[in-house]
Formats: sequence, C-alpha cells, structure tokens
Amino acid sequence: AQTVTQSQPEMSVQEAETVTLSCTYDTSESDYYLFWYKQPPSRQMILVIRQEAYKQQNATENRFSVNFQKAAKSFSLKISDSQLGDAAMYFCAYLRDAGNMLTFGGGTRLMVKP
Amino acid sequence: AAGVIQSPRHLIKEKRETATLKCYPIPRHDTVYWYQQGPGQDPQFLISFYEKMQSDKGSIPDRFSAQQFSDYHSELNMSSLELGDSALYFCASSPPGLYEQYFGPGTRLTVT
Repeated sequence: AQTVTQSQPEMSVQEAETVTLSCTYDTSESDYYLFWYKQPPSRQMILVIRQEAYKQQNATENRFSVNFQKAAKSFSLKISDSQLGDAAMYFCAYLRDAGNMLTFGGGTRLMVKP
Repeated sequence: AAGVIQSPRHLIKEKRETATLKCYPIPRHDTVYWYQQGPGQDPQFLISFYEKMQSDKGSIPDRFSAQQFSDYHSELNMSSLELGDSALYFCASSPPGLYEQYFGPGTRLTVT
C-alpha cells in the first residue's frame, strides 16, 4: 500500500519570505500523480498544484512550485512571497495511475507571521 | 467557475439514526468521490463512482452505502449512526479523462 509522510507537523514563515514543505511517499508504481492541497480554516480542500510522475519538469503555479525527486520519492512544496492568506493546513497526496483513491499525508500546518 | 455542491452543510443526528448526504459534481464531471475527515486527521477515501457505477471502494463501513444517479449527483446514505461517525464528509469530482479531484465544501456531521 502506498504511504505519504509529511514530517513537519507545523511550520511558520514571515510574510513575504519563502517556505518549503516536505513530503515523501512510498510506492512500487512507476506511473502516478502527486498533489498538494490547501485546507484553510474554512476546511475547504483546495487543489494547489499537481505533478505527473512521468514529467521531469517541476510544476509551477504562480507563487507555488514543487521539487519532485522521483528516485528519492520526495515531493516538496515551495511557497514564495508568502502571504497571510497562505496560512492553512497543507496536505500532500498521492494517486496511482488509473486509480481513484487519493492517499493523503498527515498534513503540515503553516503559520504566516505579519 | 462552478464548484462541487454539497448539502446539507451541517447535520446533527442522534445515535442509531440515519443520514443522507448529497453531492452535485461540477457540470460535465463524470466521476464522484467521497472522503471522510475526522477531527485532526487527513481525509480518508470511502468510495467512488464513474458513470453511475461504483469504481472503487475504500474504508467505507457496511452501514454506509452510496450511489450515483443519472444526472451524476451522488448520495451517501449512513445508517445506525455512531458517535465515531462525527466527521467532515467531502465529495469531490473529476472531469472525463483527467485525474485531478476537485473538492466540495464538505458536510459536517455531528452525531450526539
């Protein structure tokens, strides 16, 4: 079974600074997808960024980018120019190819200091 | 842009009662997923439907059942409710041929 591990229960960053959230996963599959979801206090799950395992290029969405290391099974999220609205719980998630079940990590709570 | 709609947003039930949660996927999305998120936990996959057929099953109790209707909306039926069923229940949907899942706002179920 696939497992996703987020080793940082909490992180904090100063407004306008950069922060990196870590995620590792375990799988025997070669084709899969990885995601970062944001869950603010409203509890809504918001898709932040996605990465296909077959793509070597790291995904980028505005201030959010990932560092995908397939051999190391690592998928970190970098948030640049942090804003107060970035404060939330961030979940890393894994989806095998042709699968339906997202497997989530335990989450990292990000605090942004003004 | 249209999002996934879930109703009700909040539901309070007593033990041993039944509850029905509804999900309306984003228009033209053909796959629906249900997740349960307990307090302080990550979401856990319950069940999914593709074109009105069950496509995958996770850790869904036998007391729960679900279906997807011809208009693609889905309902999660929960019977003999237990205190441990208190959680946030998410529905998500995916467009045809794509893999990313878009979540609704969730239904907060409280069992007393």
